[in-house]
Amino acid sequence: GAVVSQHPSRVICKSGTSVKIECRSLDFQATTMFWYRQFPKQSLMLMATSNEGSKATYEQGVEKDKFLINHASLTLSTLTVTSAHPEDSSFYICSASSPGGVNTGELFFGEGSRLTVL
Amino acid sequence: AQSVTQLDSQVPVFEEAPVELRCNYSSSVSVYLFWYVQYPNQGLQLLLKYLSGSTLVKGINGFEAEFNKSQTSFHLRKPSVHISDTAEYFCAVSDNSGTYKSIFGTGTRLKVLA
Repeated sequence: GAVVSQHPSRVICKSGTSVKIECRSLDFQATTMFWYRQFPKQSLMLMATSNEGSKATYEQGVEKDKFLINHASLTLSTLTVTSAHPEDSSFYICSASSPGGVNTGELFFGEGSRLTVL
Repeated sequence: AQSVTQLDSQVPVFEEAPVELRCNYSSSVSVYLFWYVQYPNQGLQLLLKYLSGSTLVKGINGFEAEFNKSQTSFHLRKPSVHISDTAEYFCAVSDNSGTYKSIFGTGTRLKVLA
């Protein structure tokens, strides 16, 4: 099956610093990736849609200057949380849409990255 | 626009008992429907999906779901649960109009008791 890998799985940083999270599709090319944020015991909130070679499409209410998304290749998308604050602490999950040319909306998820901002 | 409602935030059930996790959706266009499972501190993995055809869909780990268009429901069932089924379950809908963005329900925490 399609495998998506995220790194790092856990990261702790100081307030004001920036953190980069990588999302890789290991055995397929992902033209579209999605970034989600999950608060404790809550559902996934779609942050943005990342398209290879073009600007990401952000959901309403998500600050694009704070959450920088880059999708420079067909196997890698990155999320950079800039000038992180404690309220940015969360579980961030990336996903890629189904490979093989037929997009049904089925998603393949990374393992998630837990960000803690001190 | 689509929306997904999972009415039960938590469902406790004894081991080997049957379980049903409810999911209702609303959409003005045709949709694809999914159930995902999330174990603690992990990403999500697909349990099963409905794209078209037979309304009864079988997935991994003995789960199945039935698409009911008239009731706009896609309830998840398992005839006999195990302790290892304890996890968070998410219902999701994806439109098939081209954007393929998935909208998730709020999740149901299934807790299987010994």
